[in-house]
Amino acid sequence: RKEVEQDPGPFNVPEGATVAFNCTYSNSASQSFFWYRQDCRKEPKLLMSVYSSGNEDGRFTAQLNRASQYISLLIRDSKLSDSATYLCVVKHSNDYKLSFGAGTTVTVRA
Amino acid sequence: DAGITQSPRHKVTETGTPVTLRCHQTENHRYMYWYRQDPGHGLRLIHYSYGVKDTDKGEVSDGYSVSRSKTEDFLLTLESATSSQTSVYFCAISELHQPGLNTEAFFGQGTRLTVV
Repeated sequence: RKEVEQDPGPFNVPEGATVAFNCTYSNSASQSFFWYRQDCRKEPKLLMSVYSSGNEDGRFTAQLNRASQYISLLIRDSKLSDSATYLCVVKHSNDYKLSFGAGTTVTVRA
Repeated sequence: DAGITQSPRHKVTETGTPVTLRCHQTENHRYMYWYRQDPGHGLRLIHYSYGVKDTDKGEVSDGYSVSRSKTEDFLLTLESATSSQTSVYFCAISELHQPGLNTEAFFGQGTRLTVV
């Protein structure tokens, strides 16, 4: 079983729609969680960290469910510029490695 | 943007030849990582470094070696390139201000390596 798993999508949504997707992780010792965004043929960039209480950054909302070992990302009022691959990233408490999911592709259409 | 550069950005090489990719940072971050990205697999960790001359293996380290003789440079060497090592390679840096806390990783622009 992969350490971090994501639905690859693609999620194809119209502008203005809400889209949400999850990521599951297998190691219960995981401590830190992130969502990264990757545009085609570009490097990943941090979108937001995910905190235990859930957090929001503009149109983006991230949630963490430790009991079920998943994190989620919700995008409201989708823009064309939101089209990208979203990578779920998990860090364990006792080492320096970041584990990546394979990514969820979102395409926002006009 | 974080000061992290990879070189070369593109390379085509022949099977069996050694190849070295360079990652250079100007952020003085302690931790450096090499990942490869392939369709369907996402980013997989090859090797990482937690200080000068301190390195460790990731999940796909076979066929690769690394060196870090200075804080700013992390070299990835393919000892004898194979076609299965055709991939996009990303270097990343991070700094843990306190153990276990969330910390952002910054990525280089990637190196596209083709082994023919």
